[in-house]
Amino acid sequence: GQQLNQSPQSMFIQEGEDVSMNCTSSSIFNTWLWYKQDPGEGPVLLIALYKAGELTSNGRLTAQFGITRKDSFLNISASIPSDVGIYFCAGLPPNAGNNRKLIWGLGTSLGVNP
Amino acid sequence: NAGVTQTPKFQVLKTGQSMTLQCAQDMNHNSMYWYRQDPGMGLRLIYYSASEGTTDKGEVPNGYNVSRLNKREFSLRLESAAPSQTSVYFCASRGGSYGYTFGSGTRLTVV
Repeated sequence: GQQLNQSPQSMFIQEGEDVSMNCTSSSIFNTWLWYKQDPGEGPVLLIALYKAGELTSNGRLTAQFGITRKDSFLNISASIPSDVGIYFCAGLPPNAGNNRKLIWGLGTSLGVNP
Repeated sequence: NAGVTQTPKFQVLKTGQSMTLQCAQDMNHNSMYWYRQDPGMGLRLIYYSASEGTTDKGEVPNGYNVSRLNKREFSLRLESAAPSQTSVYFCASRGGSYGYTFGSGTRLTVV
């Protein structure tokens, strides 16, 4: 089935640094979503992107819907210890239908050293 | 507003035992989903229910059954648990937007 290639798989940074992660696909998507999962919890939606080229911010987080509709990136500026967790990208393909089944990346595990 | 509530939070089963994982949402969402999460495998869809009264298989349905009891509740049943079903199980629901709301998970160990 369809898959999203999410990179990097994991990263460990110093507090205050900026972080960038991305997601790519061989096919196009109509929607890109970015989620964060804290340890022991379920994923929580951070940012939703609905059209090609869209750039959206949520506090220190910025995400973009790639112009080709085949990729998206998430940037975190001035990282803090509570940014620790797993970040997932998810996409909604054009043929999703009413079920709206998302295609998920495997996640980027982020560690922040205070 | 509780969102999506999953019970139990933790469970240990012996091989061959059965159990039902419960999920309820109070957001009046139409669609509900069951995922499993394993290290390095991301989130894999087990079953979903696009609306009350309908259920469909996802990527990894073998060994599981589901029931959409009403609009609020969507349960996942393991009829004969196997060690390969050791995982963290997440229930999610979706309303009008594309974003899913997840529960906090059930951590299942099959020994």
